Amino acid sequence: AQSVTQPDIHITVSEGASLELRCNYSYGATPYLFWYVQSPGQGLQLLLKYFSGDTLVQGIKGFEAEFKRSQSSFNLRKPSVHWSDAAEYFCAVGGDSGYALNFGKGTSLLVTP
Amino acid sequence: EAQVTQNPRYLITVTGKKLTVTCSQNMNHEYMSWYRQDPGLGLRQIYYSMNVEVTDKGDVPEGYKVSRKEKRNFPLILESPSPNQTSLYFCASRDRYYGYTFGSGTRLTVV
Repeated sequence: AQSVTQPDIHITVSEGASLELRCNYSYGATPYLFWYVQSPGQGLQLLLKYFSGDTLVQGIKGFEAEFKRSQSSFNLRKPSVHWSDAAEYFCAVGGDSGYALNFGKGTSLLVTP
Repeated sequence: EAQVTQNPRYLITVTGKKLTVTCSQNMNHEYMSWYRQDPGLGLRQIYYSMNVEVTDKGDVPEGYKVSRKEKRNFPLILESPSPNQTSLYFCASRDRYYGYTFGSGTRLTVV
């Protein structure tokens, strides 16, 4: 069965600092990997996704993620965080052997001045 | 505009009173699903549908029903809501290339 682990429940970073959110997945076949962001009171917005090819994926809002098969990881990064990046971030895994999109429990990002 | 539309956005109801949350998509997607989001638990799939008249249980189907009589609509039915179904609900549809589109969410409170 596929699953996603986001080890960090909360992360606090200073504005302008770099950010890395961790995501580890378990999936028996080729994983399709996603990062979503949810601002307070809002729906889910897709930041980026990985299906195949280049393991470094560029997304919106200056985010990127790197797929590392050997570590079963798909960590999200941003070189310089803005106050507007404060939100909940969800990693998700799906694949061609199933129809569900399995989400991690989320990481809440707080950005301090 | 391509979108998934959920209604209502907010709903407060009493225990045992049947309710339906509607979901409609205008992208001709075959696959649709429902998720609930709870603090500390992330999003969990309730039911999904691969096409008209084809539905199946997700991870947390107890207390919910769905129907898929036409491709665009996928309503979520709570026949006897209970307080533990208080949650934020999301409908989603998916294209053949695994592009998911989520609705804006329905915040349900059962008292």
